[in-house]
Amino acid sequence: EIVMTQSPATLSVSPGERATLSCRASQSVSSNLAWYQQKPGQAPRLLIYGASTRATGIPARFSGSGSGTEFTLTISSLQSEDFAVYYCQQYNNWPLTFGQGTRLEIK
Amino acid sequence: EVQLLESGGGLVQPGGSLRLSCAASGFTFSSYAMSWVRQAPGKGLEWVSAISGSGGSTYYADSVKGRFTISRDNSKNTLYLQMNSLRAEDTAVYYCAKDFLTGQPYWYFDLWGRGTLVTVSS
Repeated sequence: EIVMTQSPATLSVSPGERATLSCRASQSVSSNLAWYQQKPGQAPRLLIYGASTRATGIPARFSGSGSGTEFTLTISSLQSEDFAVYYCQQYNNWPLTFGQGTRLEIK
Repeated sequence: EVQLLESGGGLVQPGGSLRLSCAASGFTFSSYAMSWVRQAPGKGLEWVSAISGSGGSTYYADSVKGRFTISRDNSKNTLYLQMNSLRAEDTAVYYCAKDFLTGQPYWYFDLWGRGTLVTVSS
């Protein structure tokens, strides 16, 4: 099983600033990585797939990068609605696995 | 409207069974692979099971293999998860999720239901 490790567990950032979230895979997943955003009481929302392609309707301030085992989600200028939990997911191998999440909170 | 609506959750005793359903609407259900993903209270996401659009291929997490069965009825636009021999650690919100692309599945998800809560407790 591929273990996905996200860091940090919690990130405190001020509105308008940049946030950088990391996701590391225990073995290569190529570019088969997705990012999701989840707000309290809501289902996850797909943000990024293929490590760097934004899903439909996702603002340009969200960007993804990386390949192999190291990935990054960057939010360039945080808006109030961006404070949430973010998960990475690999879909290169069975079983599909998620990271444990990074909570992005207001500083 | 494109949506997924789960049902069938509830309180069940350890060792019991439950069948979850996920009704799909607004898209050609049979063209998409589907998955179940769960989230224990206050915890992260855990993929549970997946099924191809035709239903001919199924996949399971080790934690549920042999206890859970995924299936679909494309004539009813409905996905199912039969859960047997339930354990306390199966307590979670169960989401159904639609694969991103039609045809060849990619196994990431662009549409999620609101989830249904399963509580396993005596």
